[in-house]
Amino acid sequence: KAGVTQTPRYLIKTRGQQVTLSCSPISGHRSVSWYQQTPGQGLQFLFEYFSETQRNKGNFPGRFSGRQFSNSRSEMNVSTLELGDSALYLCASSSSSAFSYEQYFGPGTRLTVT
Amino acid sequence: KQEVTQIPAALSVPEGENLVLNCSFTDSAIYNLQWFRQDPGKGLTSLLLIQSSQREQTSGRLNASLDKSSGRSTLYIAASQPGDSATYLCAVYSGGSNYKLTFGKGTLLTVNP
Repeated sequence: KAGVTQTPRYLIKTRGQQVTLSCSPISGHRSVSWYQQTPGQGLQFLFEYFSETQRNKGNFPGRFSGRQFSNSRSEMNVSTLELGDSALYLCASSSSSAFSYEQYFGPGTRLTVT
Repeated sequence: KQEVTQIPAALSVPEGENLVLNCSFTDSAIYNLQWFRQDPGKGLTSLLLIQSSQREQTSGRLNASLDKSSGRSTLYIAASQPGDSATYLCAVYSGGSNYKLTFGKGTLLTVNP
C-alpha cells in the first residue's frame, strides 16, 4: 500500500507570493490533516479535512487555507507569503473519523520564503 | 489548552544501552497518545499508538506506557543501536469539540557505536 505523498518536496518562493501544496493520502483514508514544523515552534496543527469538509482548525491566520477533493486528496494554500512561513509542511492521513486511529505522515514539503 | 513536554531534550548513549524517553501532558482527557520518530529533514514515522483505555503497547524493542491520570507516558528502547538515532516525538489527541494532535518538542537521541 502506497504511503502518504506530498508534492512538491521543495519550494522556494518570494515574500508576497502565494503557494499551493498537495497531499495524497493513503488509499481508503478520508481524513487529511496539515501541520507546520519550525525549529522554534515545533509541530503545530493547521487544519483537518474529512470528506471534503474542514472539521477542525488550528490557530493560524486566514492566509492559510485548504481544501479536500472527492478522492480525498488535499491542497493547502498560503497567500501573501511572509518570511516566517518558511517551514516544513507535513500532511497526515487517517483511516476514520474516529479519534483512535493512527496518523500516517508524508515526507513533507520544505518551503523557503526569501 | 493542552501542552506536551518531553524530557530530556537531547540524549546521547552508547550502543547497547537501554533508555527511557519521557512525555507529559497537562490535560488528561485524551483520546490516544502516539509516539513518532523523525529523521533529519524527513517526515514522521509512527512507532506506537496507545488508546486512552490502554496502559502500554509494545513493538519489537520498543515499549510505550501510558498513565492517563498522571498525564505521563514513557517510551522504553531496549538494546539501543546507532540506527535508532533520530528525534522522538510524543503527541496526544485531545480537545473535546476542538480535538487535535498536540506535539511535544521532541527528544533528540544519539546512539554512539
